[in-house]
Formats: sequence, C-alpha cells, structure tokens
Amino acid sequence: DVKVTQSSRYLVKRTGEKVFLECVQDMDHENMFWYRQDPGLGLRLIYFSYDVKMKEKGDIPEGYSVSREKKERFSLILESASTNQTSMYLCASSLAPGLGSFFYEQYFGPGTRLTVT
Amino acid sequence: QQPVQSPQAVILREGEDAVINCSSSKALYSVHWYRQKHGEAPVFLMILLKGGEQKGHDKISASFNEKKQQSSLYLTASQLSYSGTYFCGTGSNYQLIWGAGTKLIIKP
Repeated sequence: DVKVTQSSRYLVKRTGEKVFLECVQDMDHENMFWYRQDPGLGLRLIYFSYDVKMKEKGDIPEGYSVSREKKERFSLILESASTNQTSMYLCASSLAPGLGSFFYEQYFGPGTRLTVT
Repeated sequence: QQPVQSPQAVILREGEDAVINCSSSKALYSVHWYRQKHGEAPVFLMILLKGGEQKGHDKISASFNEKKQQSSLYLTASQLSYSGTYFCGTGSNYQLIWGAGTKLIIKP
C-alpha cells in the first residue's frame, strides 16, 4: 500500500515563527501536493511538485514556499506564520508527471492541524 | 473555478440510497471522487474519465456527463461505513479543483 506520512498531526506555533511541515511518500510517485483544508471550502492547492526541485504554484501560494530535494520528500514552509494560516494541511502524492496527473488517484497523508496563536 | 456539489449535507437511514452531484462551469477531462471520515485523510473512491472509462470502487457507482459538465455519485443500500464527507475533484490541466464537499450521515 502507498503510504504518505506527515511529520506532525498537531502543531501550535506563534505568529511570526517559521514553520516547516514535512511529507514523505514511499511509492516513488512523481507528483506531490500540498493542500489546506478549511470548513466549507474543500481542499485548496497551495503548491505541487512534479519532479525533484520542480514546483508549481497552486491557487493559494501566498505566504508559503516549498522544497523538494528528494523524490520522496516534499516540505511546506510558512515563512512567517500568521493566524489566518491556522488550518488543516494535507499532503498527497500521485503517479504520473505533468499533464497526466489528473488521470491518477491521489494518496493523502493523515494531515497536520496547525494552530497559529 | 470550484465545482459545485449538491446537496451540502444529507442524512439517511441504513439501507437507503443517496446521490451526490458535482457540477463544473469548465470542460472536464476527468472527475475524481473521494471520501473523508472525520479526523482522517481523504480516500480515493473513483475516477471517471472523458470518453467513458471508469476506475474505482465495486460498491459505488458514478456517472459522468461530459456535455453537461457534471458527475453524480450513487451510493445504493447505504451502510454505516459510508458516513463521511464526499469530495469531487475535477481534472483540468495539471491539477484537481475540489468541491466544498457533501456531508453524508447514515443512521442505523
């Protein structure tokens, strides 16, 4: 089975702190995604990566950056955490690079619930 | 633009049927369906592809009307385990655009 793991289930940070969220997948998937999930809004894409060191902005990239130094690991960075970044953050991975990605299912990690105070 | 899911929520008795709809204002290449139980990650159910190919679940079916740009998920003889929030994701270019979700509650 595909396994996607995230470094923390719950995280509490202070405003202005730099926050790192880590995601690791064990199935050699090309694509990796970072979403945030808020009630009533569904899943919104922050960034995705289709290869090592490659990244593309999603719908809401402001205030976030990402890093993919190894194929299995995709990190989300909040440069200076703010209270409006309090949310559930979900990482996902899927087969197939680039334009073929919407043909393949995404596998999700358990999520990190981040609270910024 | 985010696809619209309907209804927003539905409560059923065990054994009843449910239909969840997903409509998009954009042309669709694929529609994905996922279920998320409270406190858990979304889990893949089904993909419907333009041209009629379907990949996914044995006990859940779905339709994809390309002309109307909509999909429907059919849950027949619902079980308690079907409870959760159902999300559709519409495939366009390199990413999925997700609906806001439909909360399904199954009561014994």
